[in-house]
Amino acid sequence: GDSVTQMEGPVTLSEEAFLTINCTYTATGYPSLFWYVQYPGEGLQLLLKATKADDKGSNKGFEATYRKETTSFHLEKGSVQVSDSAVYFCALSVRPGNQFYFGTGTSLTVIP
Amino acid sequence: SQTIHQWPATLVQPVGSPLSLECTVEGTSNPNLYWYRQAAGRGLQLLFYSVGIGQISSEVPQNLSASRPQDRQFILSSKKLLLSDSGFYLCAWSVTGPETQYFGPGTRLLVL
Repeated sequence: GDSVTQMEGPVTLSEEAFLTINCTYTATGYPSLFWYVQYPGEGLQLLLKATKADDKGSNKGFEATYRKETTSFHLEKGSVQVSDSAVYFCALSVRPGNQFYFGTGTSLTVIP
Repeated sequence: SQTIHQWPATLVQPVGSPLSLECTVEGTSNPNLYWYRQAAGRGLQLLFYSVGIGQISSEVPQNLSASRPQDRQFILSSKKLLLSDSGFYLCAWSVTGPETQYFGPGTRLLVL
């Protein structure tokens, strides 16, 4: 079935370090791919998305490219900040009904 | 603009008691609606989704049920809560197509 496999955490980085959080997917059709972020004590918010192969989603310095050949959607940021500390979820959506499948989440802590 | 409400925000219930969590969406028609559970250390799990009034799909068999009595109302219920039902319950909505899901603020449930 459709699923998302996400890099396990927790991840701890120093401020200004480079971030990669791996995400691979399995889908029977052509899914849309998403990264959601959950800041401490808050609900989930969309960070970025890509709806077709080779699309690059970007927001707040984060980027992810939809790679059909490797079925991946890795999240990257060149220089993390303390305020990026959160849990990051990779997700895919498929038709019909737009059901979403989330990864288990990766906790990121950025230390000064 | 669209908004999504969930209540209650926090709930403490004894084992074996019933449950009813409510989610309502404003500002959109015929949304797809979703219930998720986020359990400690276990990521985000899709429980139910609905593409229309009275249409419910279950992703995970368990002692929970969902109902959609109105277009923009989604209810999560249980006749008898288990300890393992404790968690953070999130309602979300989306529109047809490869669109983003928008999450409610969540309900934190503690079963004692």
